[in-house]
Amino acid sequence: DAGVTQSPTHLIKTRGQQVTLRCSPKSGHDTVSWYQQALGQGPQFIFQYYEEEERQRGNFPDRFSGHQFPNYSSELNVNALLLGDSALYLCASSLKVASGNTIYFGEGSWLTVV
Amino acid sequence: AQRVTQPEKLLSVFKGAPVELKCNYSYSGSPELFWYVQYSRQRLQLLLRHISRESIKGFTADLNKGETSFHLKKPFAQEEDSAMYYCALAGTASKLTFGTGTRLQVTL
Repeated sequence: DAGVTQSPTHLIKTRGQQVTLRCSPKSGHDTVSWYQQALGQGPQFIFQYYEEEERQRGNFPDRFSGHQFPNYSSELNVNALLLGDSALYLCASSLKVASGNTIYFGEGSWLTVV
Repeated sequence: AQRVTQPEKLLSVFKGAPVELKCNYSYSGSPELFWYVQYSRQRLQLLLRHISRESIKGFTADLNKGETSFHLKKPFAQEEDSAMYYCALAGTASKLTFGTGTRLQVTL
């Protein structure tokens, strides 16, 4: 089992551009969450997808959007990139259980906005 | 609102010394608390969770609801414990709120 896989691992974008990050959850997991980790900070929750719908959302603007596909994989899209969007973007997967459920993280996608 | 506070950015200890990484939380309901660890060049991984009350790699953490704390402890630090440690709280299913992290540095 490869665990949670993310792509690309690193990318550089220009202010105003758009970016798409991809995530494949751990085998058997049906819930995908995205987190943003700025340098020197802990991860911050962006949103969570389950059954192809956004179920929870953190304090992020509408420029951040996502999608979940029938095979449970997910994409994170960020429009109109700002310098402040430079961060490590983490994908996490889990099984839709209220408690006692382990959340697994991918290695992340490093986004640099110049 | 839920919040996790880790007051120390860096904790430096000698090998064999006791370790305590502090974590305080704010949450109105009944929280689930976790410790995650990130070793150099590796992904974030779960170290332990309060509901399992287990010891992983010699680390333990006890949830103190009166003090709203979930401090991570280990009696004797090892070099391989050097890493970034994050305390996290799950208020609603599968949504984690993280602290800012504490870097543990174990020196000889």
